[in-house]
Amino acid sequence: DAGVTQSPTHLIKTRGQHVTLRCSPISGHKSVSWYQQVLGQGPQFIFQYYEKEERGRGNFPDRFSARQFPNYSSELNVNALLLGDSALYLCASSLGGASGKETQYFGPGTRLLVL
Amino acid sequence: GQQVMQIPQYQHVQEGEDFTTYCNSSTTLSNIQWYKQRPGGHPVFLIQLVKSGEVKKQKRLTFQFGEAKKNSSLHITATQTTDVGTYFCAAPGGNTPLVFGKGTRLSVIA
Repeated sequence: DAGVTQSPTHLIKTRGQHVTLRCSPISGHKSVSWYQQVLGQGPQFIFQYYEKEERGRGNFPDRFSARQFPNYSSELNVNALLLGDSALYLCASSLGGASGKETQYFGPGTRLLVL
Repeated sequence: GQQVMQIPQYQHVQEGEDFTTYCNSSTTLSNIQWYKQRPGGHPVFLIQLVKSGEVKKQKRLTFQFGEAKKNSSLHITATQTTDVGTYFCAAPGGNTPLVFGKGTRLSVIA
């Protein structure tokens, strides 16, 4: 079975632009979470989606938004990019149990550089 | 919000030496998970601990969950160059599926 896939792998944008990152979860997984990992830090939670509904949101500005599609894939959108948005963006999928706290399996990430 | 503190931040060892990283929380954790991230890679799930006092082993790796479920450790016996990477502990918190520690970066000198 394929693991979590993300696209694109790398992206370079300039300040003020918009970006869309994509994620396909492991087959059978219904929950997708997004994390931001800046260099030298642990991943920081951005969003969790389950069955197309937002289940949780981290401490990120409204420039960040996401959605989940009927096939459980997901998009993360970031508007009005800032230099500080440069990071590795990780998607994680999980089965999607009642607690939403089960094991997360991470994709390879999208490396975003904002110039 | 919940925080998970992890020490040390860096550890340099000679190949064959042991390595330990520690994770602490001020609150009781429902479970704790450990991930390894190779340089340039993404976090890879290693293990989840759920029970108080639980000890699990994976070859040279030993994972422990404290009796109070507020701390955890990962111990690697006789490190190898393949062990290089950053080891993260992470735990569920509030409406967050996982809160990560800052990680311990392990360097192994051959």
